[in-house]
Amino acid sequence: GDSVTQTEGLVTLTKGLPVMLNCTYQTTYSPFLFWYVQHLNEAPKLLLKSSTDNKRTEHQGFYATLHKSSSSFHLQKSSVQLSDSALYFCALSEGGSALGRLHFGAGTQLIVIP
Amino acid sequence: EAAVTQSPRNKVAVTGGKVTLSCNQTNNHNNMYWYRQDTGHGLRLIHYSYGAGSTEKGDIPDGYKASRPSQENFSLILELATPSQTSVYFCASGQGDERLFFGHGTKLSVL
Repeated sequence: GDSVTQTEGLVTLTKGLPVMLNCTYQTTYSPFLFWYVQHLNEAPKLLLKSSTDNKRTEHQGFYATLHKSSSSFHLQKSSVQLSDSALYFCALSEGGSALGRLHFGAGTQLIVIP
Repeated sequence: EAAVTQSPRNKVAVTGGKVTLSCNQTNNHNNMYWYRQDTGHGLRLIHYSYGAGSTEKGDIPDGYKASRPSQENFSLILELATPSQTSVYFCASGQGDERLFFGHGTKLSVL
């Protein structure tokens, strides 16, 4: 079945450094991937989405590229800020449809320190 | 911006008791979902609905029932609550624009 793996449970970084949060997936369909971000005591919100192979998608300084060859959709930012501290979820839409049920990874907690 | 409202925000229940979590959305979305969030597991789908009167089982439906009496409302029901159901529950809605809108969550503690 469809699944998503996020290998880092916790990432702690100093402000201004680059970050990459890993996301790999398994599906037999054409993948549709999402990144959601959840700040403390808030609801998860969509950060990025993509279904296009090898095309970089960007939002709010974050970017990710879907690589079907390696089944990956890693989230990156060149310079993290204190406000980026949050829980980040990678998600895969089931069955290759943008409207399918979402399968979420376990999440990566990003903590940015001064 | 789409609005999804959950109630209550916090709930303490006793083992064996009945718990109902409510969700209301004002965006006329067809699809609504109930997830639970636990550390190390991310968001796991419990039940979902494609419209009024329909409910479908998600990945972890055991011990939960759902009800969608109208387009706006989607409830999650724990008939006999157990401590293992202590968690944070999120309701979400979505339709056609490829993203989900989440409520702020309900923190449930079953003692």
